Amino acid sequence: SQTIHQWPATLVQPVGSPLSLECTVEGTSNPNLYWYRQAAGRGLQLLFYSVGIGQISSEVPQNLSASRPQDRQFILSSKKLLLSDSGFYLCAWSVRAETQYFGPGTRLTVL
Amino acid sequence: GIQVEQSPPDLILQEGANSTLRCNFSDSVNNLQWFHQNPWGQLINLFYIPSGTKQNGRLSATTVATERYSLLYISSSQTTDSGVYFCAVQGYGNKLVFGAGTILRVKS
Repeated sequence: SQTIHQWPATLVQPVGSPLSLECTVEGTSNPNLYWYRQAAGRGLQLLFYSVGIGQISSEVPQNLSASRPQDRQFILSSKKLLLSDSGFYLCAWSVRAETQYFGPGTRLTVL
Repeated sequence: GIQVEQSPPDLILQEGANSTLRCNFSDSVNNLQWFHQNPWGQLINLFYIPSGTKQNGRLSATTVATERYSLLYISSSQTTDSGVYFCAVQGYGNKLVFGAGTILRVKS
C-alpha cells in the first residue's frame, strides 16, 4: 500500500532563517506531488505541484520554492522565512489527476 | 478559476443526529473529493465523487454535476465525527481547489 511521510512534524524558526521541508511517498511510481499551505485553520492553498522529476509548477508567487530531486521526493524550501510563512504545510500525492492523498503535515511557526 | 462554496460554515449537533453538508461549485469539474480534517490536522479522504452517489458506513455523498453541487450526509453522528469537512474540486489540469470548509462539532 502507499504511504506518504512528512518531516519534521513541527518546526519553530526565526524570521530570516532558511527552511527545508521534506515529503516522501512509498508504494507508487511517478506520482503527481503537491504542496499546500493551510493558514488559520481553514482553506488549503495549492503552492506547487509536480508531474515528474525536475518539473515544478508554481501556483502562488512567494519566497518559497520547491524541488523534486527524486521520483518520490518533494522538498519545500525558503532562503529567508517571513512571519507570513507560518502555517500548516501539507504534501499530497495522486496518480495522474485523480484522488489526492495527504500526508500528516508540518506545522511551521516563524517568530 | 473555479469557485467552491461550502455551507453551513459551522454546525453543532447532538450525538446521534443527522446532518447534510453542501458544496456548490462554479464550473464543470473532473474531480470532486470530500475530506475530513481531524483535530490533529490530518486530512482523511472520505469520497472521490465527481458524479453519482456513494456510501461508506454512516457517510454518504451525492454529486449532481449538471447542477454543480455535492452533498455529504452524516447519519447517527458521533463525537469522533467532529472536525472540519472540506470539499475540493478540480477542473482541467492538476489544481484541486478547496472550499473554506464546514466546522462540525458533535456534542455527547
